[in-house]
Amino acid sequence: GENVEQHPSTLSVQEGDSAVIKCTYSDSASNYFPWYKQELGKGPQLIIDIRSNVGEKKDQRIAVTLNKTAKHFSLHITETQPEDSAVYFCAASDPNTGNQFYFGTGTSLTVIP
Amino acid sequence: NAGVTQTPKFQVLKTGQSMTLQCAQDMNHEYMSWYRQDPGMGLRLIHYSVGAGITDQGEVPNGYNVSRSTTEDFPLRLLSAAPSQTSVYFCASSYSGQGDGYTFGSGTRLTVV
Repeated sequence: GENVEQHPSTLSVQEGDSAVIKCTYSDSASNYFPWYKQELGKGPQLIIDIRSNVGEKKDQRIAVTLNKTAKHFSLHITETQPEDSAVYFCAASDPNTGNQFYFGTGTSLTVIP
Repeated sequence: NAGVTQTPKFQVLKTGQSMTLQCAQDMNHEYMSWYRQDPGMGLRLIHYSVGAGITDQGEVPNGYNVSRSTTEDFPLRLLSAAPSQTSVYFCASSYSGQGDGYTFGSGTRLTVV
């Protein structure tokens, strides 16, 4: 099956700085890559996603980039705020079924006021 | 409120006991799934369903059973609980599962002693 690696596992930034989280995947046939934010005690929430026919997608302060050749995708958060502090997960769709997702191990982001 | 509802939020079981984790969604989503979340391992798929009457195994199905008699409900059964099943369990749903982001429930924290 697909293997998704995520780095770093923890990340601390000053408020107002940018944060970047990177993921790699193993199967070049994967075609959908969502990102989730999980706040303490809650379920993950979809924040942005990208499909394999697109190289970049933005939504206000967050953006995702995809490099299909290198099989990696990244989450970029600009002008970070304390409420961005959470655990972020990347995922890649199962190339065979599309019904399963393989998740990275998560990045704990702390934004220091 | 529309969304995915999981019950109970917390549960302690003794080894060998059985129980059912409940999951219900009111968004008319065809696709539903169960994940477990363990420290350092991200989210791993246990079972999923693409519609009423159809279920399939995910990455870590052993020790768990599911059924899907209605579109709304997707219960997860632990037949004989083991300490290795101590985890946080999340139910998720999506419109089709084919490249759609999930809506997650708030989770069930299960401890098996």
